[in-house]
Amino acid sequence: EAGVAQSPRYKIIEKRQSVAFWCNPISGHATLYWYQQILGQGPKLLIQFQNNGVVDDSQLPKDRFSAERLKGVDSTLKIQPAKLEDSAVYLCASTLGSGANVLTFGAGSRLTVL
Amino acid sequence: QKEVEQNSGPLSVPEGAIASLNCTYSDRVSQSFFWYRQYSGKSPELIMSIYSNGDKEDGRFTAQLNKASQYVSLLIRDSQPSDSATYLCAVNPNSGYALNFGKGTSLLVTP
Repeated sequence: EAGVAQSPRYKIIEKRQSVAFWCNPISGHATLYWYQQILGQGPKLLIQFQNNGVVDDSQLPKDRFSAERLKGVDSTLKIQPAKLEDSAVYLCASTLGSGANVLTFGAGSRLTVL
Repeated sequence: QKEVEQNSGPLSVPEGAIASLNCTYSDRVSQSFFWYRQYSGKSPELIMSIYSNGDKEDGRFTAQLNKASQYVSLLIRDSQPSDSATYLCAVNPNSGYALNFGKGTSLLVTP
């Protein structure tokens, strides 16, 4: 089966600019996650979707970050305006159900904010 | 935010030795525990899961869980240079919710 697809793989922007990341989960996976991984740290959950509904966005900085999952399949994570501290890898993951038993990660999108 | 704690390392072991990686968690009601391996520049990949107290073995890997002590560990026997990576401990705080990850322990296996 095809894995979790993410794009772009790399993005360099200046602070205060905007950026968007796209994720296509494994076919049939109802639950989709966006994690932020800053260099030297573990992944931190930003948002969890179950189909097209939000399960948990408690750690999403909503003043600058937004995410949507239209039709319960693809998802987009947007940052506007970006700050230096947003430099990180943005990992998308999906699971078949909501139990988070086996997370399958995409390759990630590496963001550098200058 | 419930905490998952790991020693960041680096942990250096010689080839063929046993590597022992440790993790503690703060949420006593946690039920599911996972170890992910992450090579530099790559995304995490699942290597072990454990749900019950005791040991679970899979090849050279053994996961150990002690819920009373809120402690989970990963043993890697006959360590190989290819095992050199960051090992992330992850805890499921409650069914239906996302995994909480620790910061990871960097393991270096020297030939």
